[in-house]
Amino acid sequence: QKEVEQNSGPLSVPEGAIASLNCTYSDRGSQSFFWYRQYSGKSPELIMFIYSNGDKEDGRFTAQLNKASQYVSLLIRDSQPSDSATYLCAVPNQAGTALIFGKGTTLSVSS
Amino acid sequence: EPEVTQTPSHQVTQMGQEVILRCVPISNHLYFYWYRQILGQKVEFLVSFYNNEISEKSEIFDDQFSVERPDGSNFTLKIRSTKLEDSAMYFCASSERTESQPQHFGDGTRLSIL
Repeated sequence: QKEVEQNSGPLSVPEGAIASLNCTYSDRGSQSFFWYRQYSGKSPELIMFIYSNGDKEDGRFTAQLNKASQYVSLLIRDSQPSDSATYLCAVPNQAGTALIFGKGTTLSVSS
Repeated sequence: EPEVTQTPSHQVTQMGQEVILRCVPISNHLYFYWYRQILGQKVEFLVSFYNNEISEKSEIFDDQFSVERPDGSNFTLKIRSTKLEDSAMYFCASSERTESQPQHFGDGTRLSIL
């Protein structure tokens, strides 16, 4: 059974700082990785996905994948109070028929 | 931007009753999913659906649960004889060509069992 581990936080950063969120996964064969943002009481919102080793940038967000070390991270540059949310890391199961979610890391950005 | 829509947003039901949660996936998506999230816990997979049949289900998805695509647009989750522990947010999601494509979630249905 695949597992996805995240530090639950809270991670507190001041406005304008870089927030770094980390996720480790148990299955070395995992090929795709997803980051979702979830505001309290709301649904997961897809913000990034990455398939290849290295970095993928989209606006203020950068996903970093290191398959050898089995971790994927999300960097948020110029953090804003509106970024305060829980960030969920997800990995497909072995058959690719479901996403396995981590418990999420709660980010708090103070103004 | 196309989105997954779910109805109702909140459903309150007496224990033992049946509930049907409805979803309209994104129109060109072929894979459909149901997840649930109990308050304060992580998002858990229930079932995936493709080509009018279940492609995978979790241990949670027992005989109490069923899914159906009754027409070309709706995707439903039925829970028979609800229990208190079924109280949760239920999310529908859909993805495009393959199952490892990004999944897009609806706003969810909050199910409260009394």
